[in-house]
Amino acid sequence: LAKTTQPISMDSYEGQEVNITCSHNNIATNDYITWYQQFPSQGPRFIIQGYKTKVTNEVASLFIPADRKSSTLSLPRVSLSDTAVYYCLVGRSGGYQKVTFGTGTKLQVIP
Amino acid sequence: GAGVSQSPSNKVTEKGKDVELRCDPISGHTALYWYRQSLGQGLEFLIYFQGNSAPDKSGLPSDRFSAERTGGSVSTLTIQRTQQEDSAVYLCASSLGTGRGRSGANVLTFGAGSRLTVL
Repeated sequence: LAKTTQPISMDSYEGQEVNITCSHNNIATNDYITWYQQFPSQGPRFIIQGYKTKVTNEVASLFIPADRKSSTLSLPRVSLSDTAVYYCLVGRSGGYQKVTFGTGTKLQVIP
Repeated sequence: GAGVSQSPSNKVTEKGKDVELRCDPISGHTALYWYRQSLGQGLEFLIYFQGNSAPDKSGLPSDRFSAERTGGSVSTLTIQRTQQEDSAVYLCASSLGTGRGRSGANVLTFGAGSRLTVL
């Protein structure tokens, strides 16, 4: 699995857009980028997945440049309830594989 | 079921006792994962089951830990002779996996976890 690097923590005020960048220099051709969100005392939950360019859903957007060596999770107009740990994972398409999580980015939204 | 179900949600035990934690994955999900998360820490991979293949046990921290998955569905994580450092939340996740007609990497659905406290 490609190793990922993301900031340990970030602070943001309510109402602002938050961008969390993840580096994955060794991403392989068949790899997809997946982001999970974990609230305190809960298991992680899937937010968004992408391969290239931009993906948007009702929760977030994912920006992936052409070289795919990084990706940016964008959360529009965050609220206090977006305070959580965000994990970036890189994994290949097809078949099954062991899935490991890094330390994630702890986002603290400030009133 | 509709989601991944784990039991018990909380377990307090005395050092040296054995504990069993259960995970009931989403129906039809052939991959099942166990993770451990200590207070304030990230997710530590423990073991991974894929269909009928031999499980990937590379994350089990010691031979006191074992897991089985019966009938390709329910899984039990067993910790023998528990120690205080085993105190953590144990999370189970299942995945549909990918195959013909589906693209993208595996997306995991997690249960709420089993909080284990060893006194």
